[in-house]
Amino acid sequence: QAGLTQPPSVSTDLRQTATLTCTGNSNNIGDQGAAWLQQHQGHPPKLLSYRNNNRPSGISERLSASRSGNTASLTITELQPEDEADYYCSAWDSSLVAWVFGGGTKLTVL
Amino acid sequence: EVQLVESGGGLVQPGGSLKLSCTASGFTFSASAMHWVRQASGKGLEWVGRIRSKVDNYATLYAASLNGRFTISRDDSKNMVYLQMNSLKSEDTAVYYCSLAKESFDSWGQGTLVTVSS
Repeated sequence: QAGLTQPPSVSTDLRQTATLTCTGNSNNIGDQGAAWLQQHQGHPPKLLSYRNNNRPSGISERLSASRSGNTASLTITELQPEDEADYYCSAWDSSLVAWVFGGGTKLTVL
Repeated sequence: EVQLVESGGGLVQPGGSLKLSCTASGFTFSASAMHWVRQASGKGLEWVGRIRSKVDNYATLYAASLNGRFTISRDDSKNMVYLQMNSLKSEDTAVYYCSLAKESFDSWGQGTLVTVSS
C-alpha cells in the first residue's frame, strides 16, 4: 500500500540545524497531520511529536514539527551526537483506512 | 511508567501459525487502543493493525496487505493484547512491536522476533 515519502538520508554538522521532510497527500498528512518517531539502532521507536507539533513530555525543545500542505517537517536545532538515528513519519490515511509510515530517514551528525 | 512487553516470537515454518502476546502496565489498559507494528531487518516500520477498547466495541483494523491472515484480540482482565498470525510467509519475518495508541504510537515494547523459515 502507498506510504509516505522521506529522503533516505540526511547529513548535517554538529550543532547545526537539520530539517527532515515527509511527503504524503490530502488523505493523510494534508488531512490530519503527521507524527514523528526516532529509532536508534537496536532499539524500539520513540514518539517525538504527534498531530504536527505536539511533543510528548520529556522530548527536547530542540525538536519542532510542522506541516505545509501535504508535507510534514521535523526540525532539530543544535544537533547533538545522540540525534544520529533513523526518523520515521506516520499518518492516518483516510482513503486507505490505515496508518501509514514513511520509509525513514537516516540522520547522520557530522 | 508505561511498560509493554512482547513475547511469543520464534521460528516457524512457512504456512504455520504463531500467536504473539503483549503485556501492558503503567496505564489504564482497558481504556486504551493498541497497535501492532512490524519491522523487517534493516527495513522500515510497517503498521500491522489496531484494536480499540471496550467502549469502541473492541473494533479492529488491519493492513490490507495481510489479506486477513492476522487477528488482533485482547484480554483486559490480564492487560494483554494478542496477535494471531496464520498462513505465515517468509516475508512476515520481522520484529513485531506492540504500541500504545493514545495520541499516535505513544509507547513501544522492545519487540519480539518472528522468523518464518523452513
